[in-house]
Amino acid sequence: AQSVTQPDIHITVSEGASLELRCNYSYGATPYLFWYVQSPGQGLQLLLKYFSGDTLVQGIKGFEAEFKRSQSSFNLRKPSVHWSDAAEYFCAVGSYTGTASKLTFGTGTRLQVTL
Amino acid sequence: GAVVSQHPSWVICKSGTSVKIECRSLDFQATTMFWYRQFPKQSLMLMATSNEGSKATYEQGVEKDKFLINHASLTLSTLTVTSAHPEDSSFYICSARLPSGTDTQYFGPGTRLTVL
Repeated sequence: AQSVTQPDIHITVSEGASLELRCNYSYGATPYLFWYVQSPGQGLQLLLKYFSGDTLVQGIKGFEAEFKRSQSSFNLRKPSVHWSDAAEYFCAVGSYTGTASKLTFGTGTRLQVTL
Repeated sequence: GAVVSQHPSWVICKSGTSVKIECRSLDFQATTMFWYRQFPKQSLMLMATSNEGSKATYEQGVEKDKFLINHASLTLSTLTVTSAHPEDSSFYICSARLPSGTDTQYFGPGTRLTVL
């Protein structure tokens, strides 16, 4: 069964600083990998996804993530954080069963941005 | 594109009553929708996969008779929490998968259920 580990429960960065959120996955085949962001009391918004091809994927809001098969990682990065980026970030791995994809989420990383 | 809505956004009900939550894909047809449950400050747990025109597939440990799912059209899935109890209070989020050719789920804004 697939699993996702987000080792950092809570991260605080200053506005304008760079950001890296860690994600490690366990999956037997080539994974589908996703990063979602959730603001308080809201649903999830897709930031970016990796299915195949270029291992560096670009997403919305200036985020990017790099798939490293050798490290089973899919870390999320942003060069300069804005105060509006404060939210909960979830990494997820998808398993395709032929009819639908089942997502397994990590426990999330809460990002706090100080001014 | 790929907008998913949920209704209601929040609901408070008395213990023992049933509550229906709707999930709609607004600008695409979704043959598959998913229902998740999220406890405070925790991750999302998949409850069931809802397939249009067929029975839902429930995850292990999820009571089928308590959480009734109906996916009667390509744009609407409903989750009914029957005989709700305080322990059912949670944040329920649905997602819809785009038609075949892609494998991405788009999420609704969630429904906060509080059972008194």
